[in-house]
Amino acid sequence: AQKITQTQPGMFVQEKEAVTLDCTYDTSDPSYGLFWYKQPSSGEMIFLIYQGSYDQQNATEGRYSLNFQKARKSANLVISASQLGDSAMYFCAMRSDSRGGYNKLIFGAGTRLAVHP
Amino acid sequence: DVKVTQSSRYLVKRTGEKVFLECVQDMDHENMFWYRQDPGLGLRLIYFSYDVKMKEKGDIPEGYSVSREKKERFSLILESASTNQTSMYLCASSHYYGYTFGSGTRLTVV
Repeated sequence: AQKITQTQPGMFVQEKEAVTLDCTYDTSDPSYGLFWYKQPSSGEMIFLIYQGSYDQQNATEGRYSLNFQKARKSANLVISASQLGDSAMYFCAMRSDSRGGYNKLIFGAGTRLAVHP
Repeated sequence: DVKVTQSSRYLVKRTGEKVFLECVQDMDHENMFWYRQDPGLGLRLIYFSYDVKMKEKGDIPEGYSVSREKKERFSLILESASTNQTSMYLCASSHYYGYTFGSGTRLTVV
């Protein structure tokens, strides 16, 4: 069975510091995709970054990078130079690329990040 | 701008009522999903659909049903609402790599 685990219910970081949000996953599929979403208090789900299982390099998008360690089945999100607007809930998610997966996303429980001035 | 629209932002219903949550997308996506979000549990998949009139159970389908008569519309139905179905409900649509979420419906069952 597929599973996403986020072990940090809450994290805080000082403004301008870097922070790492942990995500581990479990799947037997050889091909899959990993996502990170941000959910501010308004409730919208904002896509941050994507990593394919066959991608050789770690994904980066501006201040966001994904530390992908395939052998450890981890896909940690690193936010550099934190800003007050980064305070939100963060979800790690996985999509199976197997036949019959229908592109459904499986989510972790989330990590609430608070950025302090 | 592409959109997934959920008909209600907030909804209050009584126990035992039949409740319809509507979701419409304008991107011609094949796949549509319904999730519920609860604190500490993240988003859990209730049902999804990969084509018109096609549906599959997700991880927590009990107490719910769905309808997809047209490609753009995916409805979640609570046949007889119960207090343990009080939650935030999120609809999403996808075309392989891209997922778009609606803004959510916060349902309270009293």
